[in-house]
Amino acid sequence: EVQLVESGGGLVQPGGSLRLSCAASGFTFSSYGMIWVRQAPVKGLEWVSYISSSGSTIYYADSVKGRFTISRDNAKDSLYLQMNSLRDEDTSVYYCATVTGYSSTWWGQGTLVIVSS
Amino acid sequence: QSALTQPRSVSGSPGQSVTISCTGTSSDVGGYNYVSWYQQHPGKAPKIKIYDVSKRPSGVPDRFSGSKSGSTASLTISGLQAEDEADYYCCSYAGSYTYVFGTGTKVTVL
Repeated sequence: EVQLVESGGGLVQPGGSLRLSCAASGFTFSSYGMIWVRQAPVKGLEWVSYISSSGSTIYYADSVKGRFTISRDNAKDSLYLQMNSLRDEDTSVYYCATVTGYSSTWWGQGTLVIVSS
Repeated sequence: QSALTQPRSVSGSPGQSVTISCTGTSSDVGGYNYVSWYQQHPGKAPKIKIYDVSKRPSGVPDRFSGSKSGSTASLTISGLQAEDEADYYCCSYAGSYTYVFGTGTKVTVL
């Protein structure tokens, strides 16, 4: 069974940092590109970042560029999102998801990040 | 990277059909045949229903169908069922490994 389990969310003050993790199982993690998608409370989905299967290709949404860093460890079947200089508007549920072609078949259950003083 | 435009809500009675539109630009929907649709129930993760404009993943009933004309994609749910009541989001590839989601549509089964 495919599983993606996010962790690392929590309450952080504006300007602070947080590192999210996504543990994958049930499939060959190293064969899939991965993305982070977020959803602010009572809002829609927003694509955040993409990383290729090898980690050699990375892209970010303009809203997080320069503040967030996506990475992966294929030996540990894990995906990460380092979030620095957090702002109120970064408050969201963060989902990790696989990329197959140009869509996302498997999603995690999400981890909540709250940025507030 | 502006969100794709979807109607805020659509509704239909059981057994009827509803269609959700997703309007973008030539830089996203109109430029690529890589539109996907996701269903999201409250408090749950999104689930894929359509990929590459009109393809259904294994296990998705054929009541769900997708199409595209120019810069507008559409999702049609035929034979509406109670469990179809959820939020639906379109998503388009926008070049250079970037993606843009739609604003989301709430489907209500009357």
